[in-house]
Amino acid sequence: KAGVTQTPRYLIKTRGQQVTLSCSPISGHRSVSWYQQTPGQGLQFLFEYFSETQRNKGNFPGRFSGRQFSNSRSEMNVSTLELGDSALYLCASSPGQGPYNEQFFGPGTRLTVL
Amino acid sequence: AQSVAQPEDQVNVAEGNPLTVKCTYSVSGNPYLFWYVQYPNRGLQFLLKYITGDNLVKGSYGFEAEFNKSQTSFHLKKPSALVSDSALYFCAVRVPNAGNNRKLIWGLGTSLAVNP
Repeated sequence: KAGVTQTPRYLIKTRGQQVTLSCSPISGHRSVSWYQQTPGQGLQFLFEYFSETQRNKGNFPGRFSGRQFSNSRSEMNVSTLELGDSALYLCASSPGQGPYNEQFFGPGTRLTVL
Repeated sequence: AQSVAQPEDQVNVAEGNPLTVKCTYSVSGNPYLFWYVQYPNRGLQFLLKYITGDNLVKGSYGFEAEFNKSQTSFHLKKPSALVSDSALYFCAVRVPNAGNNRKLIWGLGTSLAVNP
């Protein structure tokens, strides 16, 4: 099976712009989670989707949004970019919604905001 | 508040020696515990998990971890370290049946350096 794929791998944007990141989960996986990884803060949970519904949300401002499509692919959007949004954005998929399921991570999208 | 702590930012060990990466947690209820590893310029990979049963769980690449309920710890161990084990290690906890608060809670990571 192909792993989790994320596009694009690298992005450079300027403050005030918006960005959309894409994630394709492992085939058959219906749960997708998004994380922001920075050196000082570790992994910060953004949101989790299952069957097109947002099941859980982290403590990020409303500028961060996401959605999941019927084929389980997911996108996250960040509007009005700020310098502090520079980070590695990770997508993870798992087979179901059970709390015992491990997550399978994509390589991430490196976002740089200038 | 529920939290996960990895008390050491960095662990250094000589190749061939045993290694331990520490993780403690503070959650209500019985947790599900996970270890993940992030190799340089690669994504996070699942190593092992504790759900229930035997307190000693074995995972990928010869790693194992021991769940200690009384000490609320889940330390990662390997009997003989390899240089290729050098990576960033994350401990994560999920509280089952926690309603809307069932997200994974992550430690800040421990950088493991294995010296030849």
